[in-house]
Amino acid sequence: SQQGEEDPQALSIQEGENATMNCSYKTSINNLQWYRQNSGRGLVHLILIRSNEREKHSGRLRVTLDTSKKSSSLLITASRAADTASYFCADNMLTFGGGTRLMVKP
Amino acid sequence: GAGVSQSPSNKVTEKGKDVELRCDPISGHTALYWYRQSLGQGLEFLIYFQGNSAPDKSGLPSDRFSAERTGGSVSTLTIQRTQQEDSAVYLCASSPPQGIAGEETQYFGPGTRLLVL
Repeated sequence: SQQGEEDPQALSIQEGENATMNCSYKTSINNLQWYRQNSGRGLVHLILIRSNEREKHSGRLRVTLDTSKKSSSLLITASRAADTASYFCADNMLTFGGGTRLMVKP
Repeated sequence: GAGVSQSPSNKVTEKGKDVELRCDPISGHTALYWYRQSLGQGLEFLIYFQGNSAPDKSGLPSDRFSAERTGGSVSTLTIQRTQQEDSAVYLCASSPPQGIAGEETQYFGPGTRLLVL
C-alpha cells in the first residue's frame, strides 16, 4: 500500500523557474525522505528530514515538513533541464508514493 | 497477491566470507532494483535490471559486488570477501512494465539485514 501521495502527479516548467512538489502521508513517521528517479534508472536519495525538523536545505533543494498536517514539500530552485525526473517521497518504512513527474524545458 | 520476497531475512557472517542474497520479484514485473541502506542513511542504489537489457551497474560500490537475474525473474546479489562496512539492509524492489501500471512505482521487499563481524 502507498504511504506517501505526491502532488501534483505531473509538473512542467521552464528552465530557471522553481518547482514545488508536495507529499502527504498517513501514519506517524520518524523521518521522511525524498528521492528522484530518472527514466529507466534506479532511485537516488536526495534528502532526509527528521520528524523534529521543520525545514532542511541541500544545494538548490529545500524540504519542509509539517507533522501536524502530515505533509512535506520539496522545492527545487532555479531548475535545470537535468532536473527532469520523477520525484518520490518515502517514509522511514520506505513506503513510496506514486511520484511527481517533473519536466523542465530548456 | 504475493509481494516481493527476499531471503534470508537476516544474515550474520564473518569478515572475508562471501554472501548471497536472493530476491523474488512480483510475477510479471520486468524491472528489478537492488538498494542498500546503512544505519541512519537513505537508500543507496546498487544495480538495476530491466527485461533482457544489460543491467545498470553504476551503483555497485566495488568489484566485490555482483548481481545476476536468471530467466528475467529471481535475482541474486553476491558480495565477495565481505567487509564490516558492507553491513546494511539490502533491499530489492520490482516494477511492472511501463504502459501497464503507467508509473514507475517500486514495490519493495522486506530486505535482508546483513551484519559482517
